[in-house]
This record gives sequence, C-alpha cells and structure tokens, in this order.
Amino acid sequence: GENVEQHPSTLSVQEGDSAVIKCTYSDSASNYFPWYKQELGKGSQLIIDIRSNVGEKKDQRIAVTLNKTAKHFSLHITETQPEDSAVYFCAASIARSGGGADGLTFGKGTHLIIQP
Amino acid sequence: DAMVIQNPRYQVTQFGKPVTLSCSQTLNHNVMYWYQQKSSQAPKLLFHYYDKDFNNEADTPDNFQSRRPNTSFCFLDIRSPGLGDAAMYLCATSWTGGVREKLFFGSGTQLSVL
Repeated sequence: GENVEQHPSTLSVQEGDSAVIKCTYSDSASNYFPWYKQELGKGSQLIIDIRSNVGEKKDQRIAVTLNKTAKHFSLHITETQPEDSAVYFCAASIARSGGGADGLTFGKGTHLIIQP
Repeated sequence: DAMVIQNPRYQVTQFGKPVTLSCSQTLNHNVMYWYQQKSSQAPKLLFHYYDKDFNNEADTPDNFQSRRPNTSFCFLDIRSPGLGDAAMYLCATSWTGGVREKLFFGSGTQLSVL
C-alpha cells in the first residue's frame, strides 16, 4: 500500500519568514495530494491540494509543488503569521474517475510553530 | 454551523467496557470515514461507508465495528477497548460529485481507556 513520509516533525520559524514542509510517497499511482491543517480543538481542514497533472498550485500565501518523478511534494507558506501555527498533514490517494471512494494515506504531521 | 459533528469531545472508558463514538453530518455527503490518530502519528483509516456499503481496511482489528443507520449518522463501536486503543478518533465525510476527494473532518473524540 501507499506510504507517506513527512518532514520535519516540528518546524519553528520567525513570524514573517517562510515555512516549507516536505512529503514523499511510495505509490506511483497516487495522483491526488492534499494538505490539511489541524488546529487544537478543531477539525482538520483542507488548505490546498494538487493533482498529478500539474506541478505547482498557489493560493495567496500557500503553495504546493509536486515532483512526480521523485515522488515528493511540498507545502510552502510565505509571510507566516501567528494563526499559521498548527499541525499540518500531507496525504496521498488515488482518485478514481470510475467512482468509489478511497481513503487518504496521511503523513505523520508537522507541528509548525510561528515565533513572534 | 458545524458540518461534521463528533460527540463527545472527550470519552473515558474502562478496559474491556464497550464504547460507542458518534458522528453526524449536515453536508449530505455519501461517504463517511473513521480515522484513528495516536499521539504524534498519522491518522489511520479504519473503515469507511460509501452510502450503505461498508469498506473495512485490511488491518483494522475486529474489535472495531461501525454502523451507519442513515446518511447523517455514523457510529464507531469498540467492543472491548484495550489500553492501546486510547487515541483521537476522527470522523470525516466526502462526496462523490465534484471534488470528491476533499474530506471534511469533525473535531474528533479523544478516547481514554483506564
């Protein structure tokens, strides 16, 4: 089955600096890669996702890059703010056009700490 | 306006005493998932329902069962909890139209086993 590795487990950056979280996956058939933000006491929320037919996607301060050949993808947060402090999970799955639902395989998470 | 609601937020049970965790959704999504997340680990899929069809992960222990009486509700039953079952249990939903892979998570139930 799919295996997703995520690094680092903890990342501390100064407010205003950029943060990068990296993930690798093992199953070359995976074609959908979302990132979830988990805040204490709240449900995890999808913040950005990318499909294997594109190499980069950006949404304001958040961007995700995908290297299919190397089987890795990364989350980039620029101009970090205190509210960015949370645990971030990457995930991978195989999105099937013919229906059916597959669960995501998650990385172990990165605790992002924004230092004021 | 919570969309995926899990109750209770914290659940304490005794070793071997059956416990049920609940999840409800107002999104009318046809897929509901249960994940187990232990401290500093990735959420691990236990099983999911695609409408009424139950899909169990191969490595989910028999101790874990699930029920989905209707579209809105899904339950996780742990028949004989062991100390190793203490974890955060996350319910999530998705739908098969449009961006079907996007998951909507509840805030989780933290289960303690004494």
